[in-house]
Amino acid sequence: DQQVKQNSPSLSVQEGRISILNCDYTNSMFDYFLWYKKYPAEGPTFLISISSIKDKNEDGRFTVFLNKSAKHLSLHIVPSQPGDSAVYFCAASVLVAGNKLTFGGGTRVLVKP
Amino acid sequence: KAGVTQTPRYLIKTRGQQVTLSCSPISGHRSVSWYQQTPGQGLQFLFEYFSETQRNKGNFPGRFSGRQFSNSRSEMNVSTLELGDSALYLCASSSGTGYTDTQYFGPGTRLTVL
Repeated sequence: DQQVKQNSPSLSVQEGRISILNCDYTNSMFDYFLWYKKYPAEGPTFLISISSIKDKNEDGRFTVFLNKSAKHLSLHIVPSQPGDSAVYFCAASVLVAGNKLTFGGGTRVLVKP
Repeated sequence: KAGVTQTPRYLIKTRGQQVTLSCSPISGHRSVSWYQQTPGQGLQFLFEYFSETQRNKGNFPGRFSGRQFSNSRSEMNVSTLELGDSALYLCASSSGTGYTDTQYFGPGTRLTVL
């Protein structure tokens, strides 16, 4: 049972444009959400997070939106840069249950110059 | 601050053997979690250790075990290796406390079982 899903396995975007990555979850107990970026042969790099008490969080070029009623979150990258080309994972956890992250399957982003 | 380090980076074993992987967390972090990444199953949680105690466990067989030392360093052991254990094993550390506790990952250990 996949509790966190990223339905788009890949995304191609032009440099300077917006990248929008989507993530859906089924477990209503999830209350903390994170996005990670991963290059091949490296560990995931933390990008941005959001707790369920918020619906938006910004950090530089990255903004995460959370729609609890739809059990949906999205990551916006503006503007997209060639260095953003990587695999992006969303992850969710139940904070009172400790550090157990449930990951989506990932979205491969390609930013074209 | 130095990041999370994992040793070794690459490992080749044969079926039936056992293996021990090591993780050194970010200084000051007391929680260490382990994850397995495979092409078929994606990133899956193995277990978490906090202050030398296992605090969380994923759905893996008992062949997968771990421990944490008083300096927060952690080891993960896999006994009686199977071909399906070939994967990237990732360690993540965090403070282990606080309402929002972000995990920071190491580079991983690539295990190949022949």
